Amino acid sequence: DIQMTQSPSSLSASVGDRVTITCRASPGIASFLAWYQQKPGKVPKLLISAASTLQSGVPSRFSGSGSGTDFTLTISSLQPEDVATYYCQKYNSAPRTFGQGTKVQIK
Amino acid sequence: EVQLVESGGGVVRPGGSLRLSCAASGFSFNDYDMSWVRQAPGKGLEWVSDINWNGGSPYYADSVRGRFTISRDNAKNSLYLQMDSLRAEDTALYHCVREGKMLTFDLWGQGTLVTVSS
Repeated sequence: DIQMTQSPSSLSASVGDRVTITCRASPGIASFLAWYQQKPGKVPKLLISAASTLQSGVPSRFSGSGSGTDFTLTISSLQPEDVATYYCQKYNSAPRTFGQGTKVQIK
Repeated sequence: EVQLVESGGGVVRPGGSLRLSCAASGFSFNDYDMSWVRQAPGKGLEWVSDINWNGGSPYYADSVRGRFTISRDNAKNSLYLQMDSLRAEDTALYHCVREGKMLTFDLWGQGTLVTVSS
C-alpha cells in the first residue's frame, strides 16, 4: 500500500508568517492528493484537491503544489483562524490513506 | 439541507458487534460513492472503508478487513457499517463521508462514537 508521510507533526508560527507543510507519497500518486483542515471540535474541511486546486470559499492564502511523490501545503500569511490540524490524503484508489496530520498553532 | 447523520454508536465489550447507520439528505445519494472514516480520541484520521454508488466494489483498511462490512440502501438513502469482533483499538468517532465528483471527501457527518471496553 501507498504510505503518506506528513511533516512536521506540529509547528508554531507567528501571525503573518509563511507556513509550509509537506506530504510524501511512496510510491507516487500523480496529482491525486487532497488537503483537509480540521479545527478543534469540528469535522474536517476539504481545502485543496488535485494537489493544487483550491476549493470554493477557501482563502487565497492557502495553496498547494507538487505531483508524484512530494507535495506541499502553504499558508502565505498565517492567521489566527488557521489554527487547526491539516491532513493530506491520497484519493485515487483504496486505501484512501491520510497523512498523520500537522498541528498548526500560533506562537 | 445537504447533510449526513450517523447513528448506532455506543459502548460495546471486546468481541462484540455494532451496526452503524448514516442517513443522507439534500442530495442524490445514489450518485455518490461513500466512505467511513474514523478518528480515535486525540488521534488522526483513518480511512476505514468505502463502497461505490451502486453498492459494489467495497474496500477496507487492513485494520478492519474481515471484521467490518460496508453496505448501502439507495432506496433509503442510507449507508451502513457492520462491525464485528470489535477490539479496544476500534474505539473512535466514526464519520460517514461523501466522495465528491473528484473523489475527494467533500461532505462529512458529525460522527457517532464507538467505545470498545470491558
